Amino acid sequence: GENVEQHPSTLSVQEGDSAVIKCTYSDSASNYFPWYKQELGKRPQLIIDIRSNVGEKKDQRIAVTLNKTAKHFSLHITETQPEDSAVYFCAAVGGLKTSYDKVIFGPGTSLSVIP
Amino acid sequence: EAQVTQNPRYLITVTGKKLTVTCSQNMNHEYMSWYRQDPGLGLRQIYYSMNVEVTDKGDVPEGYKVSRKEKRNFPLILESPSPNQTSLYFCASSSQTRRADTQYFGPGTRLTVL
Repeated sequence: GENVEQHPSTLSVQEGDSAVIKCTYSDSASNYFPWYKQELGKRPQLIIDIRSNVGEKKDQRIAVTLNKTAKHFSLHITETQPEDSAVYFCAAVGGLKTSYDKVIFGPGTSLSVIP
Repeated sequence: EAQVTQNPRYLITVTGKKLTVTCSQNMNHEYMSWYRQDPGLGLRQIYYSMNVEVTDKGDVPEGYKVSRKEKRNFPLILESPSPNQTSLYFCASSSQTRRADTQYFGPGTRLTVL
């Protein structure tokens, strides 16, 4: 079936450094790519998203890039802070091989920001 | 307050005893979805609904049923629960104009099947 790979599974960075999480999707027709942050014991919350007609999107310290040819997209967090510590999930939505609104999540990346 | 609610939040049950987890949203969203979250596997979509009386299977629908008789409610039914359905379950809904776009998640239901 269709899937989304996500790397790394765990990531530790020093406060102030940058963090990068990468995802690869299999259905070339997927057209929407959100990123969710889940703090311990909490529900996932959308932090940024990108559509297939855009190559990059930025929101303050967070940015997402999309390479449709290679079928991968990445989350970039700059100037990391301890409150960025959480599990981050990428997802791919829609495509030719799946139902239009089916959502496939990556397995998650546990980010730890060390003060 | 705009929100997605789930009940119960915690449930311990036994194999074979039918149960229903309710999900309700007050944002007039058309799209609703159920996920299960297991360590190392992330979030896996069970079923989703794009509108009243319109439902479709996600990645892991086996052993689950859903219904969408009203726009605001999307219950998840386990007719005969088994231990491998022990998991954390999330309901989510999405804007009526954007379908599977920004999803708002409920607080989660932790289910244990003995």
